[in-house]
Amino acid sequence: DAGVIQSPRHEVTEMGQEVTLRCKPISGHDYLFWYRQTMMRGLELLIYFNNNVPIDDSGMPEDRFSAKMPNASFSTLKIQPSEPRDSAVYFCASSFLRWGTGELFFGEGSRLTVL
Amino acid sequence: KNQVEQSPQSLIILEGKNCTLQCNYTVSPFSNLRWYKQDTGRGPVSLTIMTFSENTKSNGRYTATLDADTKQSSLHITASQLSDSASYICVVSGIEGGSYIPTFGRGTSLIVHP
Repeated sequence: DAGVIQSPRHEVTEMGQEVTLRCKPISGHDYLFWYRQTMMRGLELLIYFNNNVPIDDSGMPEDRFSAKMPNASFSTLKIQPSEPRDSAVYFCASSFLRWGTGELFFGEGSRLTVL
Repeated sequence: KNQVEQSPQSLIILEGKNCTLQCNYTVSPFSNLRWYKQDTGRGPVSLTIMTFSENTKSNGRYTATLDADTKQSSLHITASQLSDSASYICVVSGIEGGSYIPTFGRGTSLIVHP
C-alpha cells in the first residue's frame, strides 16, 4: 500500500479564497483524522470519521471549515473563505482503531499559506 | 479532560550523547501509549507502543518506559545520531465505545549537533 496520500503538498492562496485539501487513506482502515499543526499549538485534532461518518468535529475552528468523507477512500477538508491565521500544515491520518492498537498512519501533510 | 504534557519543549545535544524525553498524561481509561518521531516536513511515524502491562520496550537505540501508576513515560535515546534530530510526540490512547482515540502531546524538539 502506498500509505496515506495527501494533496496538494503545498498551497499558497490569498485571503478570501476557497481551499480544498484532499486525502486518500490506507485501504481497510476504518478511521480517518484531520489534524492541523502549528509551531504555537502543535498537532490539533480537527475532526475524525469512523466508517465515513463524522464522529467528532469539535476541533473544527469555525464554520469556515468543513470536512467530508463521501466514501472509504477519499476525504476533503475545505476552508471557505480562507484567512491568514489558517496558515499551517494540515495532516490526514488513518487507522484501524476498532479493537486495534491505534497506530495512526500519517500522510506527508499539506502546507497551507494564506496571504 | 484528557491531557498529555511533554518535557522539555526543546533539547540540544551533541552527537553520541544520550538523552531522555518525558511524558505525563491524564488519559483515562488508559489503553496504550505511543511515541512518534516527526522529521521536519514529514508526518509523524510510530516508534514504540506500550500497553498497561509493559514497563520497558526497546526499538534499536530508542527505549521507552511506562509507569502506569504515576502516569508517566520516558523515551531514552542512546548514542544519538544526527538523524535523530526531529520532534518526538507522545500519544496516549483512551477507550471510547470500544475504540481507541488518541490524545497528542505537543512534542519535544530534539536537535543533535555534530
